[in-house]
Amino acid sequence: DQQVKQNSPSLSVQEGRISILNCDYTNSMFDYFLWYKKYPAEGPTFLISISSIKDKNEDGRFTVFLNKSAKHLSLHIVPSQPGDSAVYFCAAIKRGSGGGADGLTFGKGTHLIIQP
Amino acid sequence: DGGITQSPKYLFRKEGQNVTLSCEQNLNHDAMYWYRQDPGQGLRLIYYSQIVNDFQKGDIAEGYSVSREKKESFPLTVTSAQKNPTAFYLCASSTGGRQPQHFGDGTRLSIL
Repeated sequence: DQQVKQNSPSLSVQEGRISILNCDYTNSMFDYFLWYKKYPAEGPTFLISISSIKDKNEDGRFTVFLNKSAKHLSLHIVPSQPGDSAVYFCAAIKRGSGGGADGLTFGKGTHLIIQP
Repeated sequence: DGGITQSPKYLFRKEGQNVTLSCEQNLNHDAMYWYRQDPGQGLRLIYYSQIVNDFQKGDIAEGYSVSREKKESFPLTVTSAQKNPTAFYLCASSTGGRQPQHFGDGTRLSIL
């Protein structure tokens, strides 16, 4: 039973335009969310996170939006660059867990392809 | 350079054999984790350790074992009881709390 869902296996966006990656979750115990980026044959690298007490967090070209009532979050990348081509994973942490030390629950990932 | 080192990058195992994947970190992180990734799937938690000499099962611990004798090291043994061990294995560490986990570059395990 997938508790974190990324329903788009892939997404193609033109360079310079906005990339929007979506993530839905079903467990209301999740209260902290992270986005990771992964290149082939490498480990994921942390991009940006958001706590459930916020609805937006921004870091440079990356912005994450959280809609708690819809149990939905999205990652916006503006402008998209060729180096952004990678697999993006949404991950979540449960409230009351050992502050993240219990491990993350990941979605299946979305492969973002930036077209020149 | 601080980071997480997983070795080897590729590993082959014969049926019925145990095999141990290495994970070492020099980030002085208390917490360490093992995840498994299958094609088209997200990462699934196998085991985690919040402190030396202590570890807990994750979502898919059956057929795996770990030890945490040193802060820097968290080896994962894939036992012969693991019926489908072919996968990409990722080790991670963090300072705990809500701090992001840092990942190694993974070990790809295949069955001969």
